[in-house]
Amino acid sequence: SQTIHQWPATLVQPVGSPLSLECTVEGTSNPNLYWYRQAAGRGLQLLFYSVGIGQISSEVPQNLSASRPQDRQFILSSKKLLLSDSGFYLCAWSGRASNEKLFFGSGTQLSVL
Amino acid sequence: DAKTTQPTSMDCAEGRAANLPCNHSTISGNEYVYWYRQIHSQGPQYIIHGLKNNETNEMASLIITEDRKSSTLILPHATLRDTAVYYCIVRVGGGTGTASKLTFGTGTRLQVTL
Repeated sequence: SQTIHQWPATLVQPVGSPLSLECTVEGTSNPNLYWYRQAAGRGLQLLFYSVGIGQISSEVPQNLSASRPQDRQFILSSKKLLLSDSGFYLCAWSGRASNEKLFFGSGTQLSVL
Repeated sequence: DAKTTQPTSMDCAEGRAANLPCNHSTISGNEYVYWYRQIHSQGPQYIIHGLKNNETNEMASLIITEDRKSSTLILPHATLRDTAVYYCIVRVGGGTGTASKLTFGTGTRLQVTL
C-alpha cells in the first residue's frame, strides 16, 4: 500500500533562517506531488505541484521554493523565513490519471518567530 | 473552477444522519464534485466524489441534484469521530499526466455531539 511521510511534525524557526521540509512517498511510482499551506483558521492554499522529476509549478508568488530531486521526494525550501511563512504545511500525492484522489501527509506546523 | 458555498458550521447528534449541503451554481458540465474532511491538526482525507449520479461508499453518500447546481454529503450515522471540517470542491477532470489541483475553501465545521 502507498504511504506518505512528512517531517518534522513541528518546527520553530527564527525570522531570516532557512527552511527545508521533506516529503517522501512509498508504494507508488511517478506520482503527482503537491505542497499546500494552511494559515490559522483559513482554507488550504496550493503552493506548488510537480508532475515529474525536476518539474515544478508554482501557484502563488512567495518566499518559498520547491524541488523534486527524485521521483518520490518533494522538498519545500526557503533561504530566509518571514513571519508570514508561519502555518501548517501539507504534502500530498495523487496518481497520474484524471480525477485522481489526493492523499495527504500528516503535516508540519511551522512557527516563525 | 466553479466556486462553492457551504455553511460555516453545523451540529449533529451522535447516531443521527449528518447532511452537509454545498451550492455550486456555476458548475460546468465536465466538473466533478469532491468531498474531503479535515480532522483538527491532520491532513485532509478524501471522502467521495461524483459527476452526475449519486454515489455511495463505506464512508458516505453523495447526492447531486439533477441540475448539478448543488449537492449534499450524507454521513448516515454520525459519530464523535466525524467531528471535522468538511470541504466541498468542484474541479474539472484533467487528462492523464496532469495534476489534480484542488482548491480548498473554508468548508463546514461539523460538530457531532452526544
